[in-house]
Amino acid sequence: SQELEQSPQSLIVQEGKNLTINCTSSKTLYGLYWYKQKYGEGLIFLMMLQKGGEEKSHEKITAKLDEKKQQSSLHITASQPSHAGIYLCGADRDSGYALNFGKGTSLLVTP
Amino acid sequence: KAGVTQTPRYLIKTRGQQVTLSCSPISGHRSVSWYQQTPGQGLQFLFEYFSETQRNKGNFPGRFSGRQFSNSRSEMNVSTLELGDSALYLCASSLESGRGYTFGSGTRLTVV
Repeated sequence: SQELEQSPQSLIVQEGKNLTINCTSSKTLYGLYWYKQKYGEGLIFLMMLQKGGEEKSHEKITAKLDEKKQQSSLHITASQPSHAGIYLCGADRDSGYALNFGKGTSLLVTP
Repeated sequence: KAGVTQTPRYLIKTRGQQVTLSCSPISGHRSVSWYQQTPGQGLQFLFEYFSETQRNKGNFPGRFSGRQFSNSRSEMNVSTLELGDSALYLCASSLESGRGYTFGSGTRLTVV
């Protein structure tokens, strides 16, 4: 079955700094989802990437999909306290209809 | 439009009891999937339902079961609760194509 490995596991950055979170798949990636989660709450959809080389942006968050490396990266520019939370990458299960997830990256933004 | 609604938000149960959680999908969404989230294992897929049929199942014991009703609302049931079942249970709904999963706020289950 597909495994998704996220790095780093946790990140503490100063407000205003840039940061990158990576998600590496053990299998070919056909679709990659990024979600954000506040502790103990549901997942908020950020973006979905479907094609190799695809890049999408939402406000100060940009995600890219590198099909050859079987990897996606999430980049946050000029981080703010509102960016704090757990970032999760997900990919379609082999049998479809649901997602496999990485373990998540916990982000803390300090003043 | 209304999002995915999960009830209850919090639940405390005793070992050996059973519990039922509910998930109401976004109107028009016919697929509902369930996940268990724990600090150690992360987010793990439980099962998925579409048009009242289970199409996909994760690697969980038979104590975990679910069903879907004709209005697409889904329930999951855990029987003979164990301490290790303490977790955040999330459901997600999607359109027939299975793309674009929208998650609910989750049910926090604590087993004592």
